[in-house]
Amino acid sequence: LAKTTQPISMDSYEGQEVNITCSHNNIATNDYITWYQQFPSQGPRFIIQGYKTKVTNEVASLFIPADRKSSTLSLPRVSLSDTAVYYCLVEGYSTLTFGKGTMLLVSP
Amino acid sequence: EAGVAQSPRYKIIEKRQSVAFWCNPISGHATLYWYQQILGQGPKLLIQFQNNGVVDDSQLPKDRFSAERLKGVDSTLKIQPAKLEDSAVYLCASSLKGTAYEKLFFGSGTQLSVL
Repeated sequence: LAKTTQPISMDSYEGQEVNITCSHNNIATNDYITWYQQFPSQGPRFIIQGYKTKVTNEVASLFIPADRKSSTLSLPRVSLSDTAVYYCLVEGYSTLTFGKGTMLLVSP
Repeated sequence: EAGVAQSPRYKIIEKRQSVAFWCNPISGHATLYWYQQILGQGPKLLIQFQNNGVVDDSQLPKDRFSAERLKGVDSTLKIQPAKLEDSAVYLCASSLKGTAYEKLFFGSGTQLSVL
């Protein structure tokens, strides 16, 4: 299983763009990169998934460089409600394995 | 569309007692997962069902934990006897087919406190 490394915590202010970078140096050819978001007292929620280059949806963008050894989750213009833990996962044919995630705190 | 339902929401028991959690996955989802999330950590997979068969239970402490998914729909997770270190949130998730790269849908979990 590819191991991921991401910051333990990040702080931001409302309206700013937040970029959370995840390192996955030993990613395999068949692995995809997936991000989940978890609010307090709730289960994780799927945000976005990608294999290479850039993926964008209504919630976030995911940037993956050509070597795929890292990825960046970009949240545009965050609000207080984006305060949550964000998990970066690298998955292939095995079941999802969660790390400790990044605790994002958005302040007014 | 209804999400993954779990009950109870909270449970407080004393060590050595038994406890059971219930999960109703999204209708039509073949795969069901039970995760354990200890405070400050990410969820850890305990067991994965495909319909009513077990796919992966390698991290389930089988001396005290058991799970079943009768008729391939609802599932129960039981702990008997509970230990202090079992205090955690127990999350149930489901996915449509259980194939690689598939999106998981999680319930809100059951918070267990063992005193």
